[in-house]
Parts: sequence; C-alpha cells; structure tokens
Amino acid sequence: GQNIDQPTEMTATEGAIVQINCTYQTSGFNGLFWYQQHAGEAPTFLSYNVLDGLEEKGRFSSFLSRSKGYSYLLLKELQMKDSASYLCAGQLGVTGANNLFFGTGTRLTVIP
Amino acid sequence: KAGVTQTPRYLIKTRGQQVTLSCSPISGHRSVSWYQQTPGQGLQFLFEYFSETQRNKGNFPGRFSGRQFSNSRSEMNVSTLELGDSALYLCASSLFRGGEQYFGPGTRLTVT
Repeated sequence: GQNIDQPTEMTATEGAIVQINCTYQTSGFNGLFWYQQHAGEAPTFLSYNVLDGLEEKGRFSSFLSRSKGYSYLLLKELQMKDSASYLCAGQLGVTGANNLFFGTGTRLTVIP
Repeated sequence: KAGVTQTPRYLIKTRGQQVTLSCSPISGHRSVSWYQQTPGQGLQFLFEYFSETQRNKGNFPGRFSGRQFSNSRSEMNVSTLELGDSALYLCASSLFRGGEQYFGPGTRLTVT
C-alpha cells in the first residue's frame, strides 16, 4: 500500500530557513510533487522530483532520495506569505499517470 | 492564459440527491484529474481522464463517476449523496499525463 508521512505543523521565523520532511513507503512511486495550499485556496504547484537529488527554484528547493523513500522541501528567506500548508504527493502508477497520492500536509506558520 | 475553472463554486444538496460538477481545464491541457479534499482524509484521488477515457480511478464507490468531452472539459457526478460526501472537490489539469497538475479553485459541496 501507500503511505506518506509529514509533520503536522511547523513554526519558523521570518527570514529563516525551514525544511519540511516527507517520508513515503510504497512501491510504484514514479516521482514526488510538492504543492502549497493557502487556507481556502486551491493547491499550487511548487516542485517535482523524479530523479534523486536537489531541484532548486528560487527560494524553494526540493530533494528526493528514492532508495530511502525520503524527500524534503527547503524554504529560504521565509516571508509571512509563506504561511500555508505544504503537501507532499507521490505520483503513482505507470510513468505518465496522473494519480497523485497526497500526504496530509504540513501547516507552516511564519512568525515575525 | 486562463486557469482551471470549476462550476459551481458552492453547492448545497440534500441526502439522496445527485450532483454534477464541471471543470474546464487550461486551454491545451488534455488531462483532467479529480480530487476530494476533507479535513479528516486530506486530498484523495478520484479519477483521471485523458482523451475522453478514464485512465485511473481511486478508491471511491461507484456513486462517483465522471466523463470527459472532446474539448477536454470534464464533469463528475455523485449520485445518492451522503453526509460524508461533503467536501471540497478539486479538478486539476495537465498538458500531458504525468506532467505538472494545475488545480482549479474547487467546488465546495455541502450535503445536509
């Protein structure tokens, strides 16, 4: 079966760096997505890792280790607007399938 | 380019009724996936459509169905509504299967 674990809540200070971890136990994950969701809004795409390693995109970076079933999202120079839920999602099925299995999300609160 | 649109945005129905939700993907996107989001279960995959064919289905009862039209627009239908069907229903489109999924604002369904 599939299982994704993320911390439920995290708090960090404006301007700091925060790392949100995601561990998964499954066979058949082809890649891993990270989404950001502000309260009352739809999720927005942040990053996608299909190969091991680090993907950097501005203030956001995402890392994947397929052998360890582990990913993290790194947010640098935190801003108040980064307060949101961060969802880790595994892409299931054959390559090219659009079946995402989501974790329950990590609610990040950025404080001044 | 316009984003994913979903109609209606809010809906209140009574137990036993049926409901149809609509999703228009981003222009040029051919893959549409549907998700249910609830506080307790988080985001759960319902089904994926590509080229008017259902490609994947999540673990939901047969009361949940969908279809995709030749212009890639998609509808999902829930029959014999139950209180537990109250949720935010999100539609996501991608240019191709397995690509980045862009979410619409969702339809919030309340079953009384």
